[in-house]
Amino acid sequence: DAMVIQNPRYQVTQFGKPVTLSCSQTLNHNVMYWYQQKSSQAPKLLFHYYDKDFNNEADTPDNFQSRRPNTSFCFLDIRSPGLGDAAMYLCATSRPTGQGRSKLFFGSGTQLSVL
Amino acid sequence: AQTVTQSQPEMSVQEAETVTLSCTYDTSENNYYLFWYKQPPSRQMILVIRQEAYKQQNATENRFSVNFQKAAKSFSLKISDSQLGDTAMYFCAFMPYSGAGSYQLTFGKGTKLSVIP
Repeated sequence: DAMVIQNPRYQVTQFGKPVTLSCSQTLNHNVMYWYQQKSSQAPKLLFHYYDKDFNNEADTPDNFQSRRPNTSFCFLDIRSPGLGDAAMYLCATSRPTGQGRSKLFFGSGTQLSVL
Repeated sequence: AQTVTQSQPEMSVQEAETVTLSCTYDTSENNYYLFWYKQPPSRQMILVIRQEAYKQQNATENRFSVNFQKAAKSFSLKISDSQLGDTAMYFCAFMPYSGAGSYQLTFGKGTKLSVIP
């Protein structure tokens, strides 16, 4: 089945040690998103890609970067993780326009712990 | 900026009964989408139902239906014949139809629903 896959399911890193989370999709969607969801909170959009066009949310910290080498893959890089970055990171995809834009397909998330 | 408010942090319902989850929102947009997402313990976000603001007819998906009141900016979710598998966190969400922010889902804080056998 076509889907959005996030690896790993759980990631542990050390304070200040760079970490990369990955997301892949078989849906061939143009748009890919990264959301951060802290414990007992609503998901919050960090940034999204429309094809190669990167769109950063105004309040996303500089510590968070992203790469999209091709249509299928997107990476979230946290350059110097702090304790406050411990969260579930959700990747999602959608078509770019029309009603397809409003239908997001989410991956199962990566739970990041920072020690 | 849009805001989404879910005033019920937790709710419970007996299996096979009906429950309604509340959501209000604030926006200056005229055209937009509203959603209910379900997040079970597995944490994968699953779309339950979607409503387009320009449609007056309330959306339905099997046991799930909404009561969309555009003037009141209210968007409640009714779950009929509740099943154990409905136990999850439910998020109400908003997306503008176009313009700035049209790729951003704004979520409420969620309502934790427990279905009791």
